[in-house]
Amino acid sequence: GDSVTQMEGPVTLSEEAFLTINCTYTATGYPSLFWYVQYPGEGLQLLLKATKADDKGSNKGFEATYRKETTSFHLEKGSVQVSDSAVYFCALTARGGNKLTFGTGTQLKVEL
Amino acid sequence: SAVISQKPSRDICQRGTSLTIQCQVDSQVTMMFWYRQQPGQSLTLIATANQGSEATYESGFVIDKFPISRPNLTFSTLTVSNMSPEDSSIYLCSAQGGLVYNEQFFGPGTRLTVL
Repeated sequence: GDSVTQMEGPVTLSEEAFLTINCTYTATGYPSLFWYVQYPGEGLQLLLKATKADDKGSNKGFEATYRKETTSFHLEKGSVQVSDSAVYFCALTARGGNKLTFGTGTQLKVEL
Repeated sequence: SAVISQKPSRDICQRGTSLTIQCQVDSQVTMMFWYRQQPGQSLTLIATANQGSEATYESGFVIDKFPISRPNLTFSTLTVSNMSPEDSSIYLCSAQGGLVYNEQFFGPGTRLTVL
């Protein structure tokens, strides 16, 4: 079945550092890929998405590129802020499907 | 985007009792889902709430334990029945199929603690 593997956290960075959170997936065909973010005490929010190979999703300075050849969708940000501290979830849906399959989540803590 | 509200936002319940969680979407949506997020874990899909018919449950979840209703295109309920401490989780409702296809919006979650 479909699955998503994320790098384990927690990840602790200093403000303005570069962020990469790795995400790889296993799925048949061409899934849609998502990054969701969960801020402390809040619900899940869609951060960005990509629906086909080589697409780049971007939002709030975060980017992720759909790499079919490496089955990856790594999340990057050039300069993190304290306000980016949250748990980040990589997820996919099968093409034409609706069921979201989530990774285990990566906690990010950004310090001054 | 869809705005989703859930009630209650949190509750503390006794073992053996049941709790019904409500999910309201501010617009009509095609699909609604219920997820569970156990402490420190990722989200696991419990079931798809089908309007006008029985919910579709994922492996490991059964209707007797998690009965679901969806009377219309904007509302659904999830009941956690005969609760035990292992049911302590955050339960999240999500919706899809409004103005933006293939994007799910999530409610704020219901934090349930079973003593």
